[in-house]
Amino acid sequence: ETGVTQTPRHLVMGMTNKKSLKCEQHLGHNAMYWYKQSAKKPLELMFVYSLEERVENNSVPSRFSPECPNSSHLFLHLHTLQPEDSALYLCASSTRPGGKLFFGSGTQLSVL
Amino acid sequence: KNEVEQSPQNLTAQEGEFITINCSYSVGISALHWLQQHPGGGIVSLFMLSSGKKKHGRLIATINIQEKHSSLHITASHPRDSAVYICAADNNDMRFGAGTRLTVKP
Repeated sequence: ETGVTQTPRHLVMGMTNKKSLKCEQHLGHNAMYWYKQSAKKPLELMFVYSLEERVENNSVPSRFSPECPNSSHLFLHLHTLQPEDSALYLCASSTRPGGKLFFGSGTQLSVL
Repeated sequence: KNEVEQSPQNLTAQEGEFITINCSYSVGISALHWLQQHPGGGIVSLFMLSSGKKKHGRLIATINIQEKHSSLHITASHPRDSAVYICAADNNDMRFGAGTRLTVKP
């Protein structure tokens, strides 16, 4: 148990659906992250929130929309996804700068 | 070319063997992380180091800042060490290697 909780663990959605991924941490960290892990590719950073402000957005398509209502919660809202968006989506948190990353268990997303 | 290169990509060992996984990076870093990912996706941070060597149980991580190279060693490997090991270069943003898939056979 890393202290970072992600839900759901698995998600299957159609291209016209809207869904949200949720991440929660109570480790007192000041930064939260969304990562995408596709098969046989390195982890890709999608978004970084530091002190609830988005500090990085790595050219992620607008069909992915993050939300950070407070320092403990992070959401990733999904709409009109494509099949190539199927991947493992990982949330992480840390003390920024310089802290270790603590990862959630990930959401395995399949877009049909 | 990825900024963080790991080798080997895949590694199969017999239980009890000494294992080394290598990581080379081309960016300036404040720290180098070693992560472990088990089947099912969860990732655990093993080490964060900026110089020298760290040890935790049977795991040892070393880094050579001048050569921009780090190694992860596992002594007396066990089947439960089977996982993907990921190196990440931390220069305020994390740059990840593609991972090394380790299988330890009994």
